[in-house]
Amino acid sequence: DGGITQSPKYLFRKEGQNVTLSCEQNLNHDAMYWYRQDPGQGLRLIYYSQIVNDFQKGDIAEGYSVSREKKESFPLTVTSAQKNPTAFYLCASSRASGLYNEQFFGPGTRLTVL
Amino acid sequence: AQKVTQAQTEISVVEKEDVTLDCVYETRDTTYYLFWYKQPPSGELVFLIRRNSFDEQNEISGRYSWNFQKSTSSFNFTITASQVVDSAVYFCALTDMEYGNKLVFGAGTILRVKS
Repeated sequence: DGGITQSPKYLFRKEGQNVTLSCEQNLNHDAMYWYRQDPGQGLRLIYYSQIVNDFQKGDIAEGYSVSREKKESFPLTVTSAQKNPTAFYLCASSRASGLYNEQFFGPGTRLTVL
Repeated sequence: AQKVTQAQTEISVVEKEDVTLDCVYETRDTTYYLFWYKQPPSGELVFLIRRNSFDEQNEISGRYSWNFQKSTSSFNFTITASQVVDSAVYFCALTDMEYGNKLVFGAGTILRVKS
């Protein structure tokens, strides 16, 4: 089945640690995105990538980093510089970075800082 | 700047009632797309509909219907004869040309359908 997988489903981090969230898609989509969801605030864009080896910052990129070495993969690292990382993280992909392409979402990773 | 407002934070209805979820948007773009997504308790967002700024026809898909009115910058979503399985968070979203295919999301409306 084609789709987007995210792992792990739940992640616990101690303060000061970096953690990496995995996102893989087998939809052959060019564009991939990372969103953060906080209660009552909807989704906010962290980073996005339109093609391999290229990515751009979204609205709340501070304290996060990404890489796009393969078309299928777009891992997100939450660094110790992110002051309030506890949130639900959603990865998405779309066929191309065009206005008419809907984004498909993965199941999400819930990150909790202990 | 792009903005999506979903003024209804939470709605509770009894099964078989009709319910309308409101979405009002602001955009600087002349060409744009609007979306509705459903987020069930599992967390994954499910795409429901896409509407472009040039097409103001209403759309119906089973029990779901959408009313797009450019004059009032609204894109409302109606569920007819609601069911318990419709309980979820519903998000309205708007494209932002400045950031490729970036979506600007509203805060979401929690819909609770009681049996």
